[in-house]
Amino acid sequence: SQTIHQWPATLVQPVGSPLSLECTVEGTSNPNLYWYRQAAGRGLQLLFYSVGIGQISSEVPQNLSASRPQDRQFILSSKKLLLSDSGFYLCAWSGILDWFSGNTIYFGEGSWLTVV
Amino acid sequence: AQTVTQSQPEMSVQEAETVTLSCTYDTSENNYYLFWYKQPPSRQMILVIRQEAYKQQNATENRFSVNFQKAAKSFSLKISDSQLGDTAMYFCAFMKPPYSGGGADGLTFGKGTHLIIQP
Repeated sequence: SQTIHQWPATLVQPVGSPLSLECTVEGTSNPNLYWYRQAAGRGLQLLFYSVGIGQISSEVPQNLSASRPQDRQFILSSKKLLLSDSGFYLCAWSGILDWFSGNTIYFGEGSWLTVV
Repeated sequence: AQTVTQSQPEMSVQEAETVTLSCTYDTSENNYYLFWYKQPPSRQMILVIRQEAYKQQNATENRFSVNFQKAAKSFSLKISDSQLGDTAMYFCAFMKPPYSGGGADGLTFGKGTHLIIQP
């Protein structure tokens, strides 16, 4: 069966420091990968998605970037964190979206980021 | 762009009661998927139920069922025989047709309903 893992689970970082959150998927090949952010009291906002190695689409211009160095690895980064980057970050995966295969997006455990 | 609206920020019911969470959405697409996700205090996002827009039959999953009204763009979740473990944030989400352009192939979420099951 497929599993998704992301780490670290919690992170407290000072303003201006770098960030690296990592996500890996097991049990599937060529997944679509996603990074979402959930700010306090809000729903989820799609930040980045990727349909293949090196293919990253950004949905929201911001201080963050994403990379996909391997098929099942997705990394969220920042060179200099801002206070507004605080939140709960969720990595997710899906199969190739196909109306006939009933695809669904599955989420990792999430990472709490507090920028101080 | 699609929008998803959940008009009930918080609901509270007694254990064993039936509760209905509301969701409306706005889209110009004819085919799409709708989802309900549950987020317990652990914060992990768990899929509850999925509905394909081209199917007239409402989806059911054990105690969870939906009332999908395509013309009204309404997608409510009914939880029967509610249990303490159902306490969580519930998010309604929309997925547009894959590769149809106009944004990411992913989910658009509502802001959630905090459901509290009282003992």
